[in-house]
Amino acid sequence: EVQVVESGGGLVQPGGSLRLSCAASGFTFSSFSMNWVRQAPGKGLEWLSDITDKSVVHYADSVRGRFTISRDNAKNLLFLQMNNLRAEDTAVYYCTRSRWDCWGQGTVVTVSS
Amino acid sequence: DIVMTQSPDSLAVSLGERATINCKSSQSVLSSSNNRNYLGWYQKKPGQPPKLLIFWASARESGVPDRFSGSGSGTDFTLTITSLQAEDVAVYYCQQYYITPYNFGQGTKLEIK
Repeated sequence: EVQVVESGGGLVQPGGSLRLSCAASGFTFSSFSMNWVRQAPGKGLEWLSDITDKSVVHYADSVRGRFTISRDNAKNLLFLQMNNLRAEDTAVYYCTRSRWDCWGQGTVVTVSS
Repeated sequence: DIVMTQSPDSLAVSLGERATINCKSSQSVLSSSNNRNYLGWYQKKPGQPPKLLIFWASARESGVPDRFSGSGSGTDFTLTITSLQAEDVAVYYCQQYYITPYNFGQGTKLEIK
């Protein structure tokens, strides 16, 4: 079964950092680009970042310079390092592969003092 | 960046009737190299991850009921739900995955009249 499971969310103060993880299974992880997408409370879906199979990365303007995407193909893991977090980063964060067909349940990030 | 604009923002349709959601991209998402439109449609229900309904603008994802269909090319796209069922109440999003940032439309909330 194709599956991704996000983890690492939590409550963090403004200016703080979190590292999200996404564990993939059931497909050849190294062959796919992977993405992070979020949904803030009451808002729509927002694409954040992708990393290709060759580890080329792209970011949305809203997170460029603060978030870093990376992957470990040996362990089938995707990461999102989030620094200098702001209240507006509060959201459910999802990972998904480049076919866009497989999404985890998401991990909740709350940025608040 | 490619801006995705959906219409309407909300829609109320009677059970068994047709629902039509439109999506317009600010530039073409049709690739000349493979003649494919890099456009997907998703269903989003509260507390659940996005569900891919349609990819390549008109290809139905496996397991998606055939009352869901996608059409259009270039910059103008449509998601049609024939014979609306109660379980179709959700927010629907289009997304272009042609060029990063892979922007989503703002969403269309579908309700039962």
